[in-house]
Amino acid sequence: GAGVSQSPRYKVTKRGQDVALRCDPISGHVSLYWYRQALGQGPEFLTYFNYEAQQDKSGLPNDRFSAERPEGSISTLTIQRTEQRDSAMYRCASSLAGGSTQYFGPGTRLTVL
Amino acid sequence: AQTVTQSQPEMSVQEAETVTLSCTYDTSENNYYLFWYKQPPSRQMILVIRQEAYKQQNATENRFSVNFQKAAKSFSLKISDSQLGDTAMYFCAFMTLGDSSYKLIFGSGTRLLVRP
Repeated sequence: GAGVSQSPRYKVTKRGQDVALRCDPISGHVSLYWYRQALGQGPEFLTYFNYEAQQDKSGLPNDRFSAERPEGSISTLTIQRTEQRDSAMYRCASSLAGGSTQYFGPGTRLTVL
Repeated sequence: AQTVTQSQPEMSVQEAETVTLSCTYDTSENNYYLFWYKQPPSRQMILVIRQEAYKQQNATENRFSVNFQKAAKSFSLKISDSQLGDTAMYFCAFMTLGDSSYKLIFGSGTRLLVRP
């Protein structure tokens, strides 16, 4: 079946603009995660959803970052008033349930000029 | 806090030979999973292998196997008969089942180059 998909794959934006990154999980996966990966580093956790409920947002760096998953499927990560330090690869992962193996999408590479 | 340490930033191996990548972790939890993910030049994140901490038997997946030493908090990955397609960044990751978010904590990675 289809894997996790993310869009856009690449996003270039100017400082101060808002961006929305989309994640479409594997069908039937109730758990969804967002991670951020800087170049040369491992991914870092941002937030976690179980169905539509955001269970953990402790990894979101500040209040410019928010995420939603209103119908328990597709999720959107929004970054408001982007800054250059937000430039990174943003990865989404999904799993059958919490504690199951997480499968990653291809990521969205965000560049803030 | 849980941490994952990969002390080998880069490694190189001749095609068809065996290589071992090291990973250590720190946790006070007793119930957790460990993973190795591969990130090839395409930058996809691909699951290589998974180990449940309660299992004493080391996990294997074809040419990939782990040496899980729970007391030492060590989780190394052995790649046998290395192939050119194994060239990638390898990340060790930890998930505690005592954490309601089941988030993965990653190491900083080991870049593996398989030489022809």
